Amino acid sequence: GAVVSQHPSRVICKSGTSVKIECRSLDFQATTMFWYRQFPKKSLMLMATSNEGSKATYEQGVEKDKFLINHASLTLSTLTVTSAHPEDSSFYICSATSWTRPSYEQYFGPGTRLTVT
Amino acid sequence: AQSVTQPDIHITVSEGASLELRCNYSYGATPYLFWYVQSPGQGLQLLLKYFSGDTLVQGIKGFEAEFKRSQSSFNLRKPSVHWSDAAEYFCAVVGPDSGYALNFGKGTSLLVTP
Repeated sequence: GAVVSQHPSRVICKSGTSVKIECRSLDFQATTMFWYRQFPKKSLMLMATSNEGSKATYEQGVEKDKFLINHASLTLSTLTVTSAHPEDSSFYICSATSWTRPSYEQYFGPGTRLTVT
Repeated sequence: AQSVTQPDIHITVSEGASLELRCNYSYGATPYLFWYVQSPGQGLQLLLKYFSGDTLVQGIKGFEAEFKRSQSSFNLRKPSVHWSDAAEYFCAVVGPDSGYALNFGKGTSLLVTP
């Protein structure tokens, strides 16, 4: 149980376009989802925390108008990178917590590799 | 400031040798502690976690970790490394006032030689 999927696994887009990444909890209801960004050879950096039905809480330095996060249901959160630029190329990972489990137990998706050309 | 430190960026061990990956944290109170493994192109897999109780915790794939409050450490160990253990290892903590978001160390890259 506690499986999280991400789609797409890889995406290439042109500079200036927008791309949407989906994060789904497949077998549980996720009250909170987290979005992380991982740079090459670097650790994961928390971008934002989203609670179902609420606006996301962004970490300092993360542009909320550029990285739009929507958590419209208990099984789906989306991250939209708007007007993407090459510096947005990265590995984006989501995680989810279930209200049936302690909030500090997170389940991770496999990640999405974004390349902006 | 709250922080998680993994002092070793890279570690190389021979297959069959023992392994210890270091993790130190700096938090006002004892946080919840985790070790994750990330294989190339893969997502994060939880190896083990410590919330309270017995300070020696057992995880999957033969890994264990020991919480030492006096040293603010949570080192990961394995008695005999297999080639398939080559991966990136992340120590992570959840602080009581962090809203349950994970704070990751920078990771240790493990290379296993024949």
